[in-house]
Amino acid sequence: RKEVEQDPGPFNVPEGATVAFNCTYSNSASQSFFWYRQDCRKEPKLLMSVYSSGNEDGRFTAQLNRASQYISLLIRDSKLSDSATYLCAVRPSGGYNKLIFGAGTRLAVHP
Amino acid sequence: SAVISQKPSRDICQRGTSLTIQCQVDSQVTMMFWYRQQPGQSLTLIATANQGSEATYESGFVIDKFPISRPNLTFSTLTVSNMSPEDSSIYLCSAIGQGARETQYFGPGTRLLVL
Repeated sequence: RKEVEQDPGPFNVPEGATVAFNCTYSNSASQSFFWYRQDCRKEPKLLMSVYSSGNEDGRFTAQLNRASQYISLLIRDSKLSDSATYLCAVRPSGGYNKLIFGAGTRLAVHP
Repeated sequence: SAVISQKPSRDICQRGTSLTIQCQVDSQVTMMFWYRQQPGQSLTLIATANQGSEATYESGFVIDKFPISRPNLTFSTLTVSNMSPEDSSIYLCSAIGQGARETQYFGPGTRLLVL
């Protein structure tokens, strides 16, 4: 089993739709969780950290479920500019601050 | 946030040769890492670059193939040695800034094609 697994995608949604991605992790002692966004032929950019209590940034909401070992990302009112690959990243316990990435979920928002 | 630059941005190399990629950060950082992203794949950590000592390699990566240096807090190099077409990939430098509270930033990547 991979350490970090994501919804396979791609997700094709119309503008204005709400879309949710899930990401599961295998190490129950993992410490920190993140969502990154990667545009085609670009480097990943941090979208948001995921906190235990859940957190929101505009149209984006991230949640953590430690009992079930998954994190989620909800995007409301999708824009064309949200089209990208969304990568979840997990920092394992005692792991020199390294990040383990999921394979990514591709989102395509169409008019 | 830390601004990370890499050079070269891309290269085409012959098999059997070596390429050294440079990574420069605009501010002092605590941790630096090297990742590989093969076409259509996610990021795989190669190693953690340790200042003034040997890098810490992940399973499947060895120093002879990917020697890494980090002479100071803001600079690191990754060498891809004795290249083969399977080494064709994007190589990304990453760093966690001092006081950045775990936030990890990435450089723009080096696109390598080995013929």
